[in-house]
Amino acid sequence: QVQLQQWGAGLLKPSETLSLSCTVHGGSFSEFFWSWIRQAPGQGLEWIGEINPDGSTNYNPSLKSRATMSLDTSKKSFSLNLHSVAAADTAVYFCARSPYWSDSRGYYSAYFDRWGQGSLVTVSS
Amino acid sequence: ETVMTQSPVTLSASPGERATLSCRASQSVSSNLAWYQQKPGQAPRLLIYSASSRATGIPARFSGSRSETEFTLTISSLQSEDFAVYYCQQYNNWPRTFGQGTKVEI
Repeated sequence: QVQLQQWGAGLLKPSETLSLSCTVHGGSFSEFFWSWIRQAPGQGLEWIGEINPDGSTNYNPSLKSRATMSLDTSKKSFSLNLHSVAAADTAVYFCARSPYWSDSRGYYSAYFDRWGQGSLVTVSS
Repeated sequence: ETVMTQSPVTLSASPGERATLSCRASQSVSSNLAWYQQKPGQAPRLLIYSASSRATGIPARFSGSRSETEFTLTISSLQSEDFAVYYCQQYNNWPRTFGQGTKVEI
């Protein structure tokens, strides 16, 4: 049974850096893409970014280059840093797994078939 | 970015009724569309991928379909555990985007 366990600081002040990590228990780590998704209180879902097994990343332009993702294959874990947080970054943050699909031009993440439990991050002075 | 528009925002229904949820993409996403169910305090759960394929363990009362850029999630006979919020998500274009959700309530 595949499980994604996430952790990180829950209360930050404006301008600080959000740091979250997610460890994968069970299943393959190197055969999937790994993403972070967030949900502001009472709102919908926003994709933050993804990292593939080679360490290549894609980010949502809405975050204006504040996000950085990394992975540690030996520990089957991946991480998110979000710099210069503000109140608008208050949300529940989820890590998630994506199978991938491919065509003649490359490999691409697909849907999210496994999710972490979610971590509430609050930004307040 | 690809905007996903879901309708209705809220759907009121009774157990046993059929529920039809819609999702429209602002540009082509091919069949690279997924549906999720989310209950309060929980992570979303994958229901449908590739527009019409059920995820592992998902009951047959859930089905998905596509007509160009219009996608539909149908719940053939609502059960009490189906009252939740449903999101569509495209994975054809970057950034990956979700619809704003449809709440299915009694």
